[in-house]
Amino acid sequence: NAGVTQTPKFRILKIGQSMTLQCTQDMNHNYMYWYRQDPGMGLKLIYYSVGAGITDKGEVPNGYNVSRSTTEDFPLRLELAAPSQTSVYFCASSGTAYEQYFGPGTRLTVT
Amino acid sequence: AQSVAQPEDQVNVAEGNPLTVKCTYSVSGNPYLFWYVQYPNRGLQFLLKYITGDNLVKGSYGFEAEFNKSQTSFHLKKPSALVSDSALYFCAVRVSNAGNNRKLIWGLGTSLAVNP
Repeated sequence: NAGVTQTPKFRILKIGQSMTLQCTQDMNHNYMYWYRQDPGMGLKLIYYSVGAGITDKGEVPNGYNVSRSTTEDFPLRLELAAPSQTSVYFCASSGTAYEQYFGPGTRLTVT
Repeated sequence: AQSVAQPEDQVNVAEGNPLTVKCTYSVSGNPYLFWYVQYPNRGLQFLLKYITGDNLVKGSYGFEAEFNKSQTSFHLKKPSALVSDSALYFCAVRVSNAGNNRKLIWGLGTSLAVNP
């Protein structure tokens, strides 16, 4: 099993551009999450999903959108990128147990 | 308000000595508690969890954690530290009344440095 995979690993965006961060898991987990990690700030939940077709906002959803059309995929869309969105983004999933499994992250810089 | 606190930003320990990384929490109801480790430029890895049962929980890489209900703590421990244990450690607790969503509240992390 690959677990949770994320693409791209790195990306530099100009202000106002858009992009989609991809996340795929092969563990048949119902629950999926998007976090951002800023230095000294821990993890902030952006969006989460409890199953295909069901998504909800986390703590910091502004500037982002998600969709969950399949169990495996949970892409995160950034519209009109801003410097405040410079961060490391992690996707995670969990199944019947409560622990979450994380992808390797995407390091995004907006300039 | 529900919260998780990791009171130390950084812990330094000599290789071979025991280590403790502290975590305290505040949630209503019975807590579900977790420890994760993050190595540089990597995602978080699950170490161990407490949901119910024995207060001493054993996890990956020789780590263990002790749940103390009266002190609302869940400290991470290892009897003998290795240089390779140097990393960022996160404590997390499941949100009470989370219903079906399994959301976690995260501490800000503790940087562990094990010196040779």
